[in-house]
Amino acid sequence: SQQGEEDPQALSIQEGENATMNCSYKTSINNLQWYRQNSGRGLVHLILIRSNEREKHSGRLRVTLDTSKKSSSLLITASRAADTASYFCAYMDTGRRALTFGSGTRLQVQP
Amino acid sequence: EPEVTQTPSHQVTQMGQEVILRCVPISNHLYFYWYRQILGQKVEFLVSFYNNEISEKSEIFDDQFSVERPDGSNFTLKIRSTKLEDSAMYFCASSESWGPDTQYFGPGTRLTVL
Repeated sequence: SQQGEEDPQALSIQEGENATMNCSYKTSINNLQWYRQNSGRGLVHLILIRSNEREKHSGRLRVTLDTSKKSSSLLITASRAADTASYFCAYMDTGRRALTFGSGTRLQVQP
Repeated sequence: EPEVTQTPSHQVTQMGQEVILRCVPISNHLYFYWYRQILGQKVEFLVSFYNNEISEKSEIFDDQFSVERPDGSNFTLKIRSTKLEDSAMYFCASSESWGPDTQYFGPGTRLTVL
């Protein structure tokens, strides 16, 4: 199966800066979801954007979806040290229920 | 806030042994999933389950794997004869409806096969 790809693989920023992560996919999708994973821990759901939506906000998070380019981005504004984690996009192909995960971006926010 | 729970948090077993990983999905959810993440790799889908039957499974989910909802609250993944390559973090997830919906993940069970 085709897998999502994310870039960058790793990102290191200072507290207060914005962090942008990108995700690309190759199929037709129902929705795309972003998850956070602290080292060795579970997956925390952040936000879901449906295929007919272009942008969605939740607190300091902003997600965009461009279905023509088959890409999504996650922006974390005013980052905090507690945002340090790995971030994964996961998309659901049309007609399926399985999530296909990207390879993730490791975000390090320096205090 | 309701959450998915999993037990045990860590399981160590010998190659060839059977293991059962347990999950309690969110109580009003109807759709259940297992995923796994081998160390340093992507999260991979294993199986989805609805109305007491498998609705979708991946190539990974071969005859060594089975799932069951033995009662109204638990959802289990059984690996019949574990292999070294089964060592991974196993995540259970649940969602409320059939439509493209948020899947909520549990904290995972780290399985180590020796």
